[in-house]
Amino acid sequence: DVKVTQSSRYLVKRTGEKVFLECVQDMDHENMFWYRQDPGLGLRLIYFSYDVKMKEKGDIPEGYSVSREKKERFSLILESASTNQTSMYLCAIAHEAMINEQFFGPGTRLTVL
Amino acid sequence: GQQLNQSPQSMFIQEGEDVSMNCTSSSIFNTWLWYKQDPGEGPVLLIALYKAGELTSNGRLTAQFGITRKDSFLNISASIPSDVGIYFCAGPYFGNEKLTFGTGTRLTIIP
Repeated sequence: DVKVTQSSRYLVKRTGEKVFLECVQDMDHENMFWYRQDPGLGLRLIYFSYDVKMKEKGDIPEGYSVSREKKERFSLILESASTNQTSMYLCAIAHEAMINEQFFGPGTRLTVL
Repeated sequence: GQQLNQSPQSMFIQEGEDVSMNCTSSSIFNTWLWYKQDPGEGPVLLIALYKAGELTSNGRLTAQFGITRKDSFLNISASIPSDVGIYFCAGPYFGNEKLTFGTGTRLTIIP
């Protein structure tokens, strides 16, 4: 079974705090993704990585950064959290040869007060 | 990013009924995927379609890749309580490897 774990299911932070969301996979897949999910907007891609230390911007990268120091771990960083970053954050992974067939983690529901 | 129009936005049905939902795009897609998200969980891939006109089944689920490559349909036959959730279509529009997701269809089963 594919296992994608996210560090927290629920997180509450204050405006201006630095926030780290961690995603770990056990499948040795090259591709890892961070999405945010908001009602009525579906899933929107923030950043993705196709290899260690490689990253590419998605559709909504503003206000976020990422880090991939090891193949199994992909971190999403909110340098200074704002209330409009309150959302569900989903990590996904995909094999190099099947980049569109993505496996998702359970999500982290982040609330910024 | 690219827009995928998914309809209906929500459905309220009785157990045992059949369900149909669809997804349309203004651009050509070379792959269509259907995901389901259970409450409180991440989406799970249900069906992947790779060829225009392709019809693929997964148990009670059937999905079709539209012949124009701009639409896809998902049907669920004889719905059961565990079908409740949000269904998303997704695809990389031609020339782009990043997935675009539809806004989702929320399925509720009325007792």
